[in-house]
Amino acid sequence: SQQGEEDPQALSIQEGENATMNCSYKTSINNLQWYRQNSGRGLVHLILIRSNEREKHSGRLRVTLDTSKKSSSLLITASRAADTASYFCATDAHQGAQKLVFGQGTRLTINP
Amino acid sequence: DVKVTQSSRYLVKRTGEKVFLECVQDMDHENMFWYRQDPGLGLRLIYFSYDVKMKEKGDIPEGYSVSREKKERFSLILESASTNQTSMYLCASSFHDRAHQPQHFGDGTRLSIL
Repeated sequence: SQQGEEDPQALSIQEGENATMNCSYKTSINNLQWYRQNSGRGLVHLILIRSNEREKHSGRLRVTLDTSKKSSSLLITASRAADTASYFCATDAHQGAQKLVFGQGTRLTINP
Repeated sequence: DVKVTQSSRYLVKRTGEKVFLECVQDMDHENMFWYRQDPGLGLRLIYFSYDVKMKEKGDIPEGYSVSREKKERFSLILESASTNQTSMYLCASSFHDRAHQPQHFGDGTRLSIL
C-alpha cells in the first residue's frame, strides 16, 4: 500500500499564485522528502524534512511537517510557468537502507 | 553534481526477449534502486542493492532480476519480457551509511514490449 498519498491529484493555477500540495502517510518516519518530475524525465530531489522538524524553507519552497497528523505540505510561492511538473512526497518509514515509499504525486500546471 | 545515467531513454523490445537496462552512477553511492512508474500507480520499487553483489527484493520483483558486479553499475534484467512490463523504468542511487540522504534519479527508460 502507498505510504504517502498526495492531495490534490491535479492542481491548475495562474502564474504568480501560490500552490499548496499535501501529503499524508501512515507509519512513523525518520524523514519526509519532496521530489519534482518534469514530463518524461527522472525525479529531482527538492527538500528533506526530518521527523523532529516542523518547517523548512528552500528558496520559494516551504515544507511543513505535522507528525501528530502524519501529514506534510509543500508550498510553492509566486509560481512560474517553469514550476509545471508532478510533485511527489516520499517517506522512509524506518525501512532501512534508505528505501523510500512514494505517493502517486500531484500534477501541477501553472498557466501563464 | 551527482550523475545517474541510464543507458537508453527509449527502448522497444518483443515479447519473450531478454532485456537489459543499465544504470551507472558517478558518486560512489552504496545504494542503488530500480523503480517502475505507471500512471495511477506511482513509483514502485522492483529491486535495490546496498553493496556490490548484494540485492534485495522490492515490492514487485516478479519477472525481474538484477546484477551489481561493480559499485557504480546496477543492471535490471527482464528475463522474458511481457507486455505488462511496458513502463517507465527509473534508476536511483544514494549513500548507505549517512542518515537522511536523498535519492538521485536518472532520466528514465521508457520501455515498450510489443
